[in-house]
Amino acid sequence: AQKVTQAQTEISVVEKEDVTLDCVYETRDTTYYLFWYKQPPSGELVFLIRRNSFDEQNEISGRYSWNFQKSTSSFNFTITASQVVDSAVYFCALSGQGAQKLVFGQGTRLTINP
Amino acid sequence: GAVVSQHPSWVICKSGTSVKIECRSLDFQATTMFWYRQFPKQSLMLMATSNEGSKATYEQGVEKDKFLINHASLTLSTLTVTSAHPEDSSFYICSASWTASSYEQYFGPGTRLTVT
Repeated sequence: AQKVTQAQTEISVVEKEDVTLDCVYETRDTTYYLFWYKQPPSGELVFLIRRNSFDEQNEISGRYSWNFQKSTSSFNFTITASQVVDSAVYFCALSGQGAQKLVFGQGTRLTINP
Repeated sequence: GAVVSQHPSWVICKSGTSVKIECRSLDFQATTMFWYRQFPKQSLMLMATSNEGSKATYEQGVEKDKFLINHASLTLSTLTVTSAHPEDSSFYICSASWTASSYEQYFGPGTRLTVT
């Protein structure tokens, strides 16, 4: 069975602080895909990143960065110099080999205070 | 590209009535569409997967007779909540992908259903 765990239910930081959202996954597949989505108050999911299991390189996109470590089954997400507009619920998700369906983590509600 | 729309964006219906939610891929042909349900402050849970022209595959615990899914064309899938009850009130989100093996899903904006 596949499982995604986001242990941090809520995080609140002051603007300009760095913040890391944790994601731990479980799968028996050798090929799988990991995702991060942002869900602002409007409800629409915003795709942030997709990473396949064979690519462990960390990625940086502006203030966002992702750390994928297969050894610890983690795919953590860091926001540098956070801004109020980053406030949202963030979901980590997993899809397995040969399967399209996504298994989502419980989500982390991030609040950036001015 | 890869835009998915949902209609309506929100709906209020009375208990016992049925409501239909549409999911459309606007600029691509979606061979597979997914329906998720999200209760307040909870995660997205997959309800069913539908392939164009085939019967939907429902996840365990989802009543297929209550949540009717039709994927009659490559650009349209519908979810009908039959005999809705207040506990069906939720945020329903669809997603679409364009090949049977694609790992990329494009999400619609969601439909908020309130059953009174």
